[in-house]
Amino acid sequence: EAGVAQSPRYKIIEKRQSVAFWCNPISGHATLYWYQQILGQGPKLLIQFQNNGVVDDSQLPKDRFSAERLKGVDSTLKIQPAKLEDSAVYLCASSLNRGSYNSPLHFGNGTRLTVT
Amino acid sequence: AQTVTQSQPEMSVQEAETVTLSCTYDTSESDYYLFWYKQPPSRQMILVIRQEAYKQQNATENRFSVNFQKAAKSFSLKISDSQLGDAAMYFCAYRSAHWINFGKGTHLIIQP
Repeated sequence: EAGVAQSPRYKIIEKRQSVAFWCNPISGHATLYWYQQILGQGPKLLIQFQNNGVVDDSQLPKDRFSAERLKGVDSTLKIQPAKLEDSAVYLCASSLNRGSYNSPLHFGNGTRLTVT
Repeated sequence: AQTVTQSQPEMSVQEAETVTLSCTYDTSESDYYLFWYKQPPSRQMILVIRQEAYKQQNATENRFSVNFQKAAKSFSLKISDSQLGDAAMYFCAYRSAHWINFGKGTHLIIQP
């Protein structure tokens, strides 16, 4: 089975610019997650989708971050405008179903964002 | 929120030796799963092992095993016969119907 695909792998932007990340989950996985991982820390959940609906976005800085999952498959995460503190790895993960919490999360390779 | 604590920022072990990574968690829920993930420099988080809270038997996957103490809310990972490829960040994770939380990770160094 193909894994979670993410692009780009790396991105360098200047502060106040905008950036977008793309994620394609494993086929058949209803739940999709975006995590932010700052260097030396564990992943922090930004947003969770169940199909094309948002389940949890309580930690998403909504003044600058937005995410969508049209048609319940691919997802994009956008930052506009970026700040220096947004420099991090952005991980996308998917799992079979939100209610099936015995099923593990499958992660992509992440996008390393550097804001200068 | 259910907190997950990994108290060892870094651990070092000689190749072929055994190392134990600790993890504790705080929860009032009775039904949940615990996971250990490995994150090598490639950044992809890879599932190492999982444990269901209702199962008393400790999970084992080849050289990896856990010591699950439900009453103490402890979930440690034991790596036997450590190999150079085991070098990575290791994250403990808690998952229930309502929460998914990760610890801050332990950086495991393998000394040749």
